Order: sequence, then structure tokens, then C-alpha cells
Amino acid sequence: EVQLVESGGGSVQPGGSLRLSCAASGFTFSNTWMHWVRQAPGKGLVWVARIKGDGSSTNYVDSVKGRFTISRDNAKNTVYLQMNSLRAEDTAVYYCGRDLHIAAASPWGQGTLVTVSS
Amino acid sequence: QSVLTQPPSVSAAPGQKVTISCSGSSSNIGNNYVSWYQHLPGTAPKLLIYDNNARPSGIPDRFSGSKSGTSATLGITGLQTGDEADYYCATWDSSLSAVVFGGGTKLTVL
Repeated sequence: EVQLVESGGGSVQPGGSLRLSCAASGFTFSNTWMHWVRQAPGKGLVWVARIKGDGSSTNYVDSVKGRFTISRDNAKNTVYLQMNSLRAEDTAVYYCGRDLHIAAASPWGQGTLVTVSS
Repeated sequence: QSVLTQPPSVSAAPGQKVTISCSGSSSNIGNNYVSWYQHLPGTAPKLLIYDNNARPSGIPDRFSGSKSGTSATLGITGLQTGDEADYYCATWDSSLSAVVFGGGTKLTVL
């Protein structure tokens, strides 16, 4: 069974940093693109970033470029989202997902909540 | 403001059919595959349709997808109260080099 479990969320002050983790199991992790999306309170889903199976290629939504970094450790079957210079508008539930084909990902994890507030 | 445009809400009675539209441009829907997701806030998003009209294993054939030009449509037949959720279209945007989501459509089954 494919499983994705996110962790690392929490409360942080504006300008602070957090690193989210997503532990994967049940599939060949190193061959698979992985995604992060987020949902701010009362808002819709927004794609955040993706990373290729070997880590050689990444893409980001414009609003996080230069602040967030997606990475992976294929030995640990884990993908990360390093979030720096956090802003109030980054407050959201963050989900990781396994890519099936470009914009299609399944399954997704249950999410981890990030709150940026002073 | 989302790159892909969806109606904010749709509604229909149990047993009826509903369609949800998703409008984009040549840089996204016009030249890339479209996916559809079902989401209840606080839970994991669920992939319903990928590659415009393919269903993942376990998704009933009540859910269907289509694409024409720069627009895509999700259809749901035999509506059930359990279908009440937010629905999102998504695709790759070649100009942005990013995945883009629609703003979401809230389905109410009256």
C-alpha cells in the first residue's frame, strides 16, 4: 500500500524557518516525481513545488521562489520542503503527493499545518 | 487569481448530473493534460481524473472528464450526498513551468 506521511509543521514567527518532511512507502520512491501543495484557511489548493526522482530537476510556484527549497533523500524515501523567510500568507496545510503524470498525483498525505504568526 | 477559471459553486439534486468547467489558455489546458481532484478541507486530496479523461483505479465511472481546446469539464452522474466537496482542475503551464490549479468549485447536493 502506498503511504505518505507529512511531519514538521508548527507555529513560527514571520521571517522564521521550518522544514517539512514527507515519508513515503509502498512504491519505488527514487523513480517518482513528488509534489507539495498547500491550502490556506478558507482558500483553494495551490501547488507549491515538485522534484524529480533523482533530485536533478525542481519547479516552484512564483510566490515561494527564492524562499522554499524542495529536496529529497532517496535512501530514506523522504521528500523535504525547507521554508525560509516565512510570511503570514504561507499559513496553510501542506500536503505531499506522489506524481502519476505531470499534474496528476496520487495519493496525497493527510497534511501538516504551518502557522506563521507573531 | 487562479490561472485556471472554475465556477465558485454548483448544485444539483441527488441522482442528477452536474458538470464543472475549467477554462484556461494555450499555455496550459490547450497543450497539456488535465487532472481533476476532489477535496474536503483537512483531508487528503483525491485524484478523480488524469490525462483529461482517465480514471485511477477505484474511481467509479460516475466521474468523467473531457477536454476541448482550452477548456476542460468534469462530469458527475448519479449524484450522492457523499459527493459534496470541493473540486479542482489542474494542469501543467508551459509558460510558468509550474503546475496550476483552478480556484475550486464547491459542489452542493441539495
